[in-house]
Amino acid sequence: DVKVTQSSRYLVKRTGEKVFLECVQDMDHENMFWYRQDPGLGLRLIYFSYDVKMKEKGDIPEGYSVSREKKERFSLILESASTNQTSMYLCAAGDRAGNEKLFFGSGTQLSVL
Amino acid sequence: DAKTTQPTSMDCAEGRAANLPCNHSTISGNEYVYWYRQIHSQGPQYIIHGLKNNETNEMASLIITEDRKSSTLILPHATLRDTAVYYCIVRVVFDKVIFGPGTSLSVIP
Repeated sequence: DVKVTQSSRYLVKRTGEKVFLECVQDMDHENMFWYRQDPGLGLRLIYFSYDVKMKEKGDIPEGYSVSREKKERFSLILESASTNQTSMYLCAAGDRAGNEKLFFGSGTQLSVL
Repeated sequence: DAKTTQPTSMDCAEGRAANLPCNHSTISGNEYVYWYRQIHSQGPQYIIHGLKNNETNEMASLIITEDRKSSTLILPHATLRDTAVYYCIVRVVFDKVIFGPGTSLSVIP
């Protein structure tokens, strides 16, 4: 199975800091996704990418940007972190050829103080 | 918005079959039905998917009605480790994946 690795399990940042969340997958999958998950709101799609240097906005892109310079790495960037971005962030990778079943990382719990 | 409707929660006795329903009455001809689950504090895990035929793998079976307006995920012998939130998703392949609130399944000893 695909392994999706997120760089940190827990992260604490201060308001206004620039935050990078890194995600790496090891199976050469074309598609990668970033979600956030909050109690009562479920999983919400922030950004996704179907190829290197390509990105598409999800349902809640405001306050975030992404970078995909290499196929295996998809980074989520919080340009100026705010307290309402405290959340669990989940990265996923999917293979077009395999009907795109998604494989998820373990998540990064980000706290912005 | 999610295109599916699922019960908020369900209980199942350990060792019995767990049958999780999902309504997707507006499904179109090229949309697949996918099931994922999320065990507490972990990322979601793919279970199974199908277009119109019933499907079975080592984890579960997926039964899709003939009109494709609903489906049922079956865990044949539920264990305590199957306690999780189960998500039913309808989507065209290559489209973005949108999760609804899912069904919280509790397997009772």
